[in-house]
Amino acid sequence: QKEVEQDPGPLSVPEGAIVSLNCTYSNSAFQYFMWYRQYSRKGPELLMYTYSSGNKEDGRFTAQVDKSSKYISLFIRDSQPSDSATYLCAMRLTDSWGKLQFGAGTQVVVTP
Amino acid sequence: KAGVTQTPRYLIKTRGQQVTLSCSPISGHRSVSWYQQTPGQGLQFLFEYFSETQRNKGNFPGRFSGRQFSNSRSEMNVSTLELGDSALYLCASSLGAGEDYGYTFGSGTRLTVV
Repeated sequence: QKEVEQDPGPLSVPEGAIVSLNCTYSNSAFQYFMWYRQYSRKGPELLMYTYSSGNKEDGRFTAQVDKSSKYISLFIRDSQPSDSATYLCAMRLTDSWGKLQFGAGTQVVVTP
Repeated sequence: KAGVTQTPRYLIKTRGQQVTLSCSPISGHRSVSWYQQTPGQGLQFLFEYFSETQRNKGNFPGRFSGRQFSNSRSEMNVSTLELGDSALYLCASSLGAGEDYGYTFGSGTRLTVV
């Protein structure tokens, strides 16, 4: 079993819909949680970064962390075709600087 | 503000050869991490350097090595290349200490081993 589980999709949604993405993890010691977006042939781009449990909002993006359930989510409101990409969750331990554990990534397709 | 720069962007090497990849972090960032991305295994952590010292290491064979220079630039070396080493190699930089603002990735070096 992988330490971080993420459904690879693809997830297809119509333009304007809410995109809902999630990851589960097994190591309760993870403290830092990230969401990245990766376009084809590009490096991952950091979207959201949270510490421990709680919610964080940035524009159309909302990240949620539920440490009791070992579950993190990313919501994208008012989705656009330009949001079509692979979304990766990542997490790390407190003392493991630079050592991120990634999910497999979910491919999202937003159709006009 | 310049981002993370990786060179070269593409490489084709023959099995058995060795290769060196380069990463220039964001100015002021002292931590550089390296990752291998393949369709089958996803993103896997190779190692992380901070202030010229390897601080964390992943589960890759000794053929994979790295180093960091005093200006925080980092290089990664793979010796005795195998076909399975074909992948996108990504580096990420961060402050590496104190308040953490996350990790910025470069565009990667796509290595093809033939």
